[in-house]
Amino acid sequence: QQQVKQSPQSLIVQKGGISIINCAYENTAFDYFPWYQQFPGKGPALLIAIRPDVSEKKEGRFTISFNKSAKQFSLHIMDSQPGDSATYFCAASKGDDKIIFGKGTRLHILP
Amino acid sequence: NAGVMQNPRHLVRRRGQEARLRCSPMKGHSHVYWYRQLPEEGLKFMVYLQKENIIDESGMPKERFSAEFPKEGPSILRIQQVVRGDSAAYFCASSPRQGAGETQYFGPGTRLLVL
Repeated sequence: QQQVKQSPQSLIVQKGGISIINCAYENTAFDYFPWYQQFPGKGPALLIAIRPDVSEKKEGRFTISFNKSAKQFSLHIMDSQPGDSATYFCAASKGDDKIIFGKGTRLHILP
Repeated sequence: NAGVMQNPRHLVRRRGQEARLRCSPMKGHSHVYWYRQLPEEGLKFMVYLQKENIIDESGMPKERFSAEFPKEGPSILRIQQVVRGDSAAYFCASSPRQGAGETQYFGPGTRLLVL
């Protein structure tokens, strides 16, 4: 049973465009929703995270939108740049528990 | 201010051999998590340890896999009698304490290839 479902599997966006990645979760006990960015051959690095008491969080060009009733959250990358090309993972956890990852989205930004 | 360190970065083993993966957490971090990433997949939790204690090993295969985090030294993930299906990237993460929203910092991973 996949607790965190992520889509799309891959995404191609023109430079300057908006990249949107969606995730849905099942466990209402989750209280922490991070997004990770992973470059080839590297470990995942925390990009931005949100808690369920807010509906949106913005850090620079990266925004998380959170819909608690629908149990969905999404990552928006504004003004996408070639350097944003990477694999992005949404995730969820409760308290100090393990992180449950989505399967990842391979993002490619065309120059 | 070194981050999480893992070694070796790449490890090649033949079927039936043992693989030992090491993880040194960030300074001041006493909580270590191990994850496995299969090709084209997300990371999957394996085990959570604090110093000298295994807290949650619900993601560890019952056989051939073991983990420890001794009082001194790095955390070790040990895979005995490796099989081709063990080929994956193994990541560890560390955090300074328990608590909601605590960030886990990931190491660069060890890529294990079983021939």
